[in-house]
Amino acid sequence: DAKTTQPTSMDCAEGRAANLPCNHSTISGNEYVYWYRQIHSQGPQYIIHGLKNNETNEMASLIITEDRKSSTLILPHATLRDTAVYYCIVRVVGFGGGADGLTFGKGTHLIIQP
Amino acid sequence: EAQVTQNPRYLITVTGKKLTVTCSQNMNHEYMSWYRQDPGLGLRQIYYSMNVEVTDKGDVPEGYKVSRKEKRNFPLILESPSPNQTSLYFCASSPGTGKGVGQPQHFGDGTRLSIL
Repeated sequence: DAKTTQPTSMDCAEGRAANLPCNHSTISGNEYVYWYRQIHSQGPQYIIHGLKNNETNEMASLIITEDRKSSTLILPHATLRDTAVYYCIVRVVGFGGGADGLTFGKGTHLIIQP
Repeated sequence: EAQVTQNPRYLITVTGKKLTVTCSQNMNHEYMSWYRQDPGLGLRQIYYSMNVEVTDKGDVPEGYKVSRKEKRNFPLILESPSPNQTSLYFCASSPGTGKGVGQPQHFGDGTRLSIL
């Protein structure tokens, strides 16, 4: 699996958009980009994933560069409850079609300031 | 409500006393997995199961056993726990075979084990 690089921590003001970057310069053509977050030792929560097109759901948007070497997770209107560790994971989809064994790095600790 | 349920949530026990952490999912998922999380090391996969009666080792399987006798349950067994297995444990599931590309994993709320 491709290695990812994320900033250790970031701050964002409540109500503003939080933009979390992720570098994955060695990504291969069949690897997806997944984002999960973990709020204070709770179970990781899936946010969004994509292959090469930009994606949006009710939680966030995922912007993947054209060369796929980096991506940005955007939380459009951050709230205090978005304070968490955010993990960017690059993973080949398993033969079963699902997101098999995920390798979580250290992630980005996003702190939303009131 | 779709969920992955782990029990117990917290357990303090002593070295050598066999214990089982249960995991159950109500989403009819084929794929289930166990992770442990330790400070500075992130989440590491212990064992996983692609379907009933199909299990395989993850990255850190030593000292653990699993079984998958039915689709919804995937217990984690520590036959002779040791202090280095003190950790936060998560069970996860995902749809699996033929259920769509890139399906995410759903995680339980975690089990905090302390082995004295």
